[in-house]
Amino acid sequence: GQQLNQSPQSMFIQEGEDVSMNCTSSSIFNTWLWYKQDPGEGPVLLIALYKAGELTSNGRLTAQFGITRKDSFLNISASIPSDVGIYFCAGHLNYGGSQGNLIFGKGTKLSVKP
Amino acid sequence: NAGVTQTPKFQVLKTGQSMTLQCAQDMNHNSMYWYRQDPGMGLRLIYYSASEGTTDKGEVPNGYNVSRLNKREFSLRLESAAPSQTSVYFCASRRGTTGANEKLFFGSGTQLSVL
Repeated sequence: GQQLNQSPQSMFIQEGEDVSMNCTSSSIFNTWLWYKQDPGEGPVLLIALYKAGELTSNGRLTAQFGITRKDSFLNISASIPSDVGIYFCAGHLNYGGSQGNLIFGKGTKLSVKP
Repeated sequence: NAGVTQTPKFQVLKTGQSMTLQCAQDMNHNSMYWYRQDPGMGLRLIYYSASEGTTDKGEVPNGYNVSRLNKREFSLRLESAAPSQTSVYFCASRRGTTGANEKLFFGSGTQLSVL
């Protein structure tokens, strides 16, 4: 089936650092979504992107929908301890199409440097 | 406003036992979903229901059945649990049935262990 390649798989941050993660695919997506999952909870939507080239911010978070429609990145500026968690990218292949076609990346686990 | 509510939060089963995971949403959403989350695998779709009265298979439906009892409730049943079904299960819902509104709202998950 279709796959999203999300990287890095994990990363360690120190408070105040900027963080960057991305997702790529061999397929063209019409929607890109970024979710965050806290321990013991379900994922929560952070940012949704609907147009190629779109750059959207949500506080310290910025995400972009790649021009080729095959990739997206998420940046977190000036990280704080509560940013730790697992971040998932998700993409929808068919604009207005089957509900089953929302595909998730495998996640980027953000942890605090010891 | 509770959003998406899943029960139970934790469950331990023996191989071959059956159980039903319950999910309800109070947002008047049309579409509901069941995902499983395994380490290093992300979220994989088991079944979904685009609207009341319809259900469809997702990526990993084998070993599961679902029922869209009404607009609010979507249950997931394991008829004969296997150790491979040890996972964290998430129910999700969204308002639309078609169109660009792709925002999924998730429950807090059910951690299932099959021994």
